[in-house]
Amino acid sequence: NAGVTQTPKFRVLKTGQSMTLLCAQDMNHEYMYWYRQDPGMGLRLIHYSVGEGTTAKGEVPDGYNVSRLKKQNFLLGLESAAPSQTSVYFCASSYPTGKGLDTEAFFGQGTRLTVV
Amino acid sequence: GEDVEQSLFLSVREGDSSVINCTYTDSSSTYLYWYKQEPGAGLQLLTYIFSNMDMKQDQRLTVLLNKKDKHLSLRIADTQTGDSAIYFCAEITQTGANNLFFGTGTRLTVIP
Repeated sequence: NAGVTQTPKFRVLKTGQSMTLLCAQDMNHEYMYWYRQDPGMGLRLIHYSVGEGTTAKGEVPDGYNVSRLKKQNFLLGLESAAPSQTSVYFCASSYPTGKGLDTEAFFGQGTRLTVV
Repeated sequence: GEDVEQSLFLSVREGDSSVINCTYTDSSSTYLYWYKQEPGAGLQLLTYIFSNMDMKQDQRLTVLLNKKDKHLSLRIADTQTGDSAIYFCAEITQTGANNLFFGTGTRLTVIP
């Protein structure tokens, strides 16, 4: 059981280049998320998805796009990378809960992206 | 929006207790969580507490919740060097997507 897998683990981009980060989960989770982690700022939600074919904006969506064509995959795209997007990106997944039920988000290992 | 705050750093001696504090602003939080992040790794859930509880104990971990003051703490008894990590508190909001709002993280350093 691999859990949540992110690829690549490291990447260096030049300003203006594009790239796609892939997140795959094998737990049949409905919900998937992309966060970025910056020093002293904790994790901030970029985009999320509540199911296959649906996506929604999080706290810091500008400069990113996402797609959830298959339930197990959640892709994060940078169309024109900027130095401000240098960060560590984490993907997470969870199952939906109703009131009174707990939930646990499972995280990938992270992708360290540097934009120069 | 939601605001979850933590101190950035904490140092303790091996064998002592560690107390990591967190304050939050959303009074409608249902669950509050503590996640641990070891160097170069993702986040792992340590423990959680439902908002109608005021304490939860799990082996060396004790979570205290003061809902009136919107204050959450994590106590680690007999802190070990393996406990050195960044600890994040997080809350679930009342949105439909189980959106976790994270604190800034507290870097715990255990001194041998």
